[in-house]
This record gives sequence, C-alpha cells and structure tokens, in this order.
Amino acid sequence: KAGVTQTPRYLIKTRGQQVTLSCSPISGHRSVSWYQQTPGQGLQFLFEYFSETQRNKGNFPGRFSGRQFSNSRSEMNVSTLELGDSALYLCASSTGGRDYGYTFGSGTRLTVV
Amino acid sequence: SQQGEEDPQALSIQEGENATMNCSYKTSINNLQWYRQNSGRGLVHLILIRSNEREKHSGRLRVTLDTSKKSSSLLITASRAADTASYFCAIPRADSWGKLQFGAGTQVVVTP
Repeated sequence: KAGVTQTPRYLIKTRGQQVTLSCSPISGHRSVSWYQQTPGQGLQFLFEYFSETQRNKGNFPGRFSGRQFSNSRSEMNVSTLELGDSALYLCASSTGGRDYGYTFGSGTRLTVV
Repeated sequence: SQQGEEDPQALSIQEGENATMNCSYKTSINNLQWYRQNSGRGLVHLILIRSNEREKHSGRLRVTLDTSKKSSSLLITASRAADTASYFCAIPRADSWGKLQFGAGTQVVVTP
C-alpha cells in the first residue's frame, strides 16, 4: 500500500512569508502527527489530528497551525516565517491508538532565508 | 525534557560486527518504539515492544526492554553498510495523543 506522502520535498521561503505543507496519510489511518526536526532541538512534536480534530498540540507559537480534512489529509501552516523555522518537517500517520507504531513521510525540508 | 535518552551518541563499526545502542527513560510506559532515519529522510519504524514484553526480534534486529531499570536496547547483528543511519527510541506519552517523545538518537556508521 502507498506510504505517507509529504509535499513539497523542498521549499525555500523568505522571512516574513507563510508556508503550507501537505501530508497524505496511509489509507485508513485517521491520525496525523507533525514533527519539526532541527540539529539543535532534535525531533519536536507540533500537533496531532484525528478525524479532523486537533487532539494534541506541542509547545510551539501560534504561527504554527494545522488542519485535517475529511479524507484524513493534513496540512500545516507556518505564518510570518523566521530563520529559526528552517527545519525538516515530518508527518506521521497511524490508526490513532496508543499501542501502534507510526509511519513517517520523507519530510519537507524548509529553508528560510 | 527528553523522555528517551540514547547511548552512545555515535557508534562506528565495520561490516559484519554487531551494534548495540541503549535507551533510558524516566516514567512508566505502555510501549517503546525504535526508529531509523537515513540522512535527511523520514523515520522508519523498526520495532515496537510493549511494557509486558522483554525481548522482540525482527530480522537482524533484537530489542530488549527492562522496565525495572527503565531501559531498552537495540542490537543490530551482522551489520551492513546500509545500516548506516541514526537510530531513535521513542515513547508515546500516556497522557498525550499522537505524541512520541524522541531522544537525541544514536548515529551509527558502518564501514565496509
């Protein structure tokens, strides 16, 4: 079956702009989580959506937002980009239970200049 | 704070050797998961071990869990150059949906 698809793979944006990243989970998976990975902070949880509802949110400023559609596809948006937002953004899909592994996408590499 | 802490931070071995890395954690867990990440790519789920399990195998991978010591280990036997990657342990937060807490990872380099 198809894996988790993240688009785009690479993105270069200018400070102050906004960006939208997309994630299509594995068919049948209703949970999508987003992570930010940087060399300094490692893997940090952004938020999780399940059946179009945000169930959990990490400790990120309000500039980071997300949503999930009825087909479980998810988007995350970062507004007013800062240099420090440069990172690999990963999404992961799962069935939504606590006792299952997650399938990650290949990530979107965002560079803010 | 990081829930899972991997040790060592880096490991360099030759093909055919075994690689062992450890993960320590602080609170009670339902399960512990290991992931692999090749340079700059997404994470690949390797093994999930539940709190009532002590050992689990998948191909050349062996994971152990000692809940009394709050630690887990990942053993890669007969390593190959393709095993070069970063390895992370991850713990789902019991009080928090969809959130995996990752350690800083162990960077493994396997040379031919």
